[in-house]
Amino acid sequence: AQKVTQAQTEISVVEKEDVTLDCVYETRDTTYYLFWYKQPPSGELVFLIRRNSFDEQNEISGRYSWNFQKSTSSFNFTITASQVVDSAVYFCALIRSGGYQKVTFGTGTKLQVIP
Amino acid sequence: DGGITQSPKYLFRKEGQNVTLSCEQNLNHDAMYWYRQDPGQGLRLIYYSQIVNDFQKGDIAEGYSVSREKKESFPLTVTSAQKNPTAFYLCASSMVWGQGVGNGYTFGSGTRLTVV
Repeated sequence: AQKVTQAQTEISVVEKEDVTLDCVYETRDTTYYLFWYKQPPSGELVFLIRRNSFDEQNEISGRYSWNFQKSTSSFNFTITASQVVDSAVYFCALIRSGGYQKVTFGTGTKLQVIP
Repeated sequence: DGGITQSPKYLFRKEGQNVTLSCEQNLNHDAMYWYRQDPGQGLRLIYYSQIVNDFQKGDIAEGYSVSREKKESFPLTVTSAQKNPTAFYLCASSMVWGQGVGNGYTFGSGTRLTVV
């Protein structure tokens, strides 16, 4: 069975602080994909990043960076110099490769950036 | 622009009524999904459909029904058998996996259902 754990339910930071959102996953598959989604107050989930299980390179996109460590089954997300617009709920998700795309979502981390 | 349209954005239901949530996509995606979101519980899969005229139960299908008569449409009916229907409902779609890995899912903007 697959499982995604986001232990941080809510995080509050002051604007311009850095913040890391944790994601730990469990799967027996050797090939899988990990995702991060952002859910702003408007409701829809917005895709942020996809990482496959064979690619452990860290990635940076502007103020966002992701640290994928297979050895610890973690896929953490860091926002540098946070802004008020970053306030949202962030979901980590796991999709197995092959078959239909059933996604396992974490319970989400609500990030509040205080001006 | 391609995307998923969910309507209505807000829906109120009286006890004992059935209500239908609309989900339409113009992305030419084969697969469509319905998720329920409750505070602190993440997203839970209600139903999914890999192809027209076929759908499968997800993890919490009791009290819900769906149809997939057209590729573009995947309506969800919340029946009176659903004991606690107040929640946020998200529709999503994706390419069939074997046709190439996309960016996971595309989501609609959701429907917030409240029982009054």
